[in-house]
This record gives sequence, structure tokens and C-alpha cells, in this order.
Amino acid sequence: QKEVEQNSGPLSVPEGAIASLNCTYSDRGSQSFFWYRQYSGKSPELIMFIYSNGDKEDGRFTAQLNKASQYVSLLIRDSQPSDSATYLCAVSSSGYALNFGKGTSLLVTP
Amino acid sequence: NAGVTQTPKFQVLKTGQSMTLQCAQDMNHNSMYWYRQDPGMGLRLIYYSASEGTTDKGEVPNGYNVSRLNKREFSLRLESAAPSQTSVYFCASSSDRGPGEQFFGPGTRLTVL
Repeated sequence: QKEVEQNSGPLSVPEGAIASLNCTYSDRGSQSFFWYRQYSGKSPELIMFIYSNGDKEDGRFTAQLNKASQYVSLLIRDSQPSDSATYLCAVSSSGYALNFGKGTSLLVTP
Repeated sequence: NAGVTQTPKFQVLKTGQSMTLQCAQDMNHNSMYWYRQDPGMGLRLIYYSASEGTTDKGEVPNGYNVSRLNKREFSLRLESAAPSQTSVYFCASSSDRGPGEQFFGPGTRLTVL
């Protein structure tokens, strides 16, 4: 069974702080890594993807990948109350099937 | 562009009834997916279709059938609904450029009594 593990939270951070969300995966053959954001009662929305070791930045978001440690993280700088949502980590070993973690709930307090 | 659309938004069934969930996308994507999302279980893949004319099982296919009607449409059928199929169902699509870069529909909230 290919596992994707996330701390369910809630992770609470003050407005303006950096939120750090973490994800580990069990399949060493995993090739592609994704972060989806899901607001309560809504559908998931892709916010970041990363395919190579290292960091990838997009605006206030940075995805970090360490394949040796089987670890992927998402940093949100200058967190805003509108960032309050559940963040889903997803991993693909090959082809089309995504394996999702159960998500981390983030609460940004004003 | 509407993106990915799903019908119905809500549905209540009795045990043993059948129904079909409809999904359509207007992004010219080759790949389409059906997921279910349950509290504490996360998103789980039911079936996917990598291209028109092909379908493959995901993690939890039992009790479901799918049809890739054409490039735009991918339906999910419950032949004999069971209370364990109470869930929120999401359809998604992606291009060949990035199969993991999926666009999700708004979801169908299904309750089976």
C-alpha cells in the first residue's frame, strides 16, 4: 500500500507568519508531487507541483522536495486568513493515478 | 469556459437504487477521473480514463462502473447503492502534459439511506 502521510492539524498560525505543511510518502518510486488546497465544502484546487529535488517558488508559496528523505513540504509566507483551508498532499508514482494524503487543516488567525 | 461540471449536486438514494453521476469537461483534456472523499479517509480514486475509449480501476472500484462516453464526458454508475457509498464524489480532468495537474468539478454529495 502506497502511503502518503500528513499531520491532520489543525495548524494554527497568526496572520503574516510562515505556515509550514509537511508530507511524507512511502513509495520510493514516486516521481511527481502536488499540493492541493480545499476550502470547506468546495473541491480541491491545485496550487503547486514539484518534480525535482529542491525548492520551487510561486508567489507566497514554496514547495520543497527531498526524495532521499521521502519528504515534501509547502511553505506559505505572509499567511492570510484567506489561506485557511485544508491542504492535500498528492503523490504520483507513474502515469495517472494520484495518491492523496488525508490533508492538513490550516487556520490563519487575524 | 465552465471547466469541469458535475450533475447532480446533491442526491439521496435508498439502498438498492441505481443512479448515474455525470461529468463533463470543456478543456479538451484526454484524462478524466472519479474520486470519492470521506471524512478521515481523504480522496480515493475510484476509476480513471487516460483517454477516450479506455478506463482503469483505481483504489476503490467495487460497486461502481464507468463509461467514457466521448472525450468530454465521463460518467459513474452505482448499480445497487449501499450506505457505504454515502460520500462526496468528485470528477477531475487533466491534460497529457501533466496528469497529476488535475482540475476538479464541484462535487456531488450522495446520501444512501
